[in-house]
Amino acid sequence: SAVISQKPSRDICQRGTSLTIQCQVDSQVTMMFWYRQQPGQSLTLIATANQGSEATYESGFVIDKFPISRPNLTFSTLTVSNMSPEDSSIYLCSVEHTGRVGYTFGSGTRLTVV
Amino acid sequence: DAKTTQPPSMDCAEGRAANLPCNHSTISGNEYVYWYRQIHSQGPQYIIHGLKNNETNEMASLIITEDRKSSTLILPHATLRDTAVYYCIVRVGNRDDKIIFGKGTRLHILP
Repeated sequence: SAVISQKPSRDICQRGTSLTIQCQVDSQVTMMFWYRQQPGQSLTLIATANQGSEATYESGFVIDKFPISRPNLTFSTLTVSNMSPEDSSIYLCSVEHTGRVGYTFGSGTRLTVV
Repeated sequence: DAKTTQPPSMDCAEGRAANLPCNHSTISGNEYVYWYRQIHSQGPQYIIHGLKNNETNEMASLIITEDRKSSTLILPHATLRDTAVYYCIVRVGNRDDKIIFGKGTRLHILP
């Protein structure tokens, strides 16, 4: 079955610092999606990452805070910049694999900002 | 905003059928109904989807009303491992269309 690897799985960071989360997919995909899940809440889409173009951000999310890279068809990174405790969440990436129904999600990165 | 409405929580006895309802009264003719679930500390997992016909796979059955304004996900013989948050989502079936999650239903399977 399709595999998504997310790193790190968890981290505790100081406020004001930045963390880059990596998402590696085992096959080429067109779009990669980044979500945030705040404690006890549902998933909120941050942005869509398309290889070769700038990411498309959802309302309430900006590139300066959540810069995204998409250097090739199997990899993407999400950076959470200038972190505050309000950024403490689980961050997940997701893709739709060719030949597979439905989206596949990574296991997430649990971020705690202190 | 999510286009679906689900009860926030439900209980079901182990071994019984779990029936999870979803209202999607504003669904468009080209939108599918998808169901995902999220077990604690994991990413969401695809379960099933349908357009207007009832669907069944190894995990669940999906019943869509004739007017398509609501649907029901059925887990025929619930086990403790089915305890999760279940999300009903409507989206156009084009590849790479984004998924917008609602609040979902937290299903508790009781031993």
